[in-house]
Amino acid sequence: DVKVTQSSRYLVKRTGEKVFLECVQDMDHENMFWYRQDPGLGLRLIYFSYDVKMKEKGDIPEGYSVSREKKERFSLILESASTNQTSMYLCASSRGQVGETQYFGPGTRLLVL
Amino acid sequence: DAKTTQPNSMESNEEEPVHLPCNHSTISGTDYIHWYRQLPSQGPEYVIHGLTSNVNNRMASLAIAEDRKSSTLILHRATLRDAAVYYCILHDMRFGAGTRLTVKP
Repeated sequence: DVKVTQSSRYLVKRTGEKVFLECVQDMDHENMFWYRQDPGLGLRLIYFSYDVKMKEKGDIPEGYSVSREKKERFSLILESASTNQTSMYLCASSRGQVGETQYFGPGTRLLVL
Repeated sequence: DAKTTQPNSMESNEEEPVHLPCNHSTISGTDYIHWYRQLPSQGPEYVIHGLTSNVNNRMASLAIAEDRKSSTLILHRATLRDAAVYYCILHDMRFGAGTRLTVKP
């Protein structure tokens, strides 16, 4: 079975802090994705990556950056956390190109005070 | 980009069939239709996908209209554990708000 793990289930940070959310997958998938999920808005794509050291902006990249130094790990970085970044963050991975089945992690619920 | 439209919510009784509709009128010829569901406090999980023909697996069935502008996810006998948000998405993997399914005992 594909396993996607996220470093924390719950996280509380203060405004202005630099926040790292880590995601690791164990199936040698090429593609990895970061989404945020807010009530009534569904999942919104922040960034995705098709390969090591490669990244593409999604629909809402502002205030975020990403890092993919190794194939299995995709990190989401909040350079200076703000209260409007309080959300559920979901990581996913898939094989090949866009359109392949995505496998999701359990999510990280981030609260920025 | 192709877009999907789903009802915000639906209700079903336990052990009855459920038909969850999705409209995708601007779908392209090579777009697969994927369905995911998200149980409370979990990340979304894959349910089923298809291109043109109807598809069945152990979780559900997918009925795709002949013109491919709509599809229906069918849960043959809803259980309380099927209560979730169901998402219908295309190749761009953009998730909307989905359909929240409530199953009543």
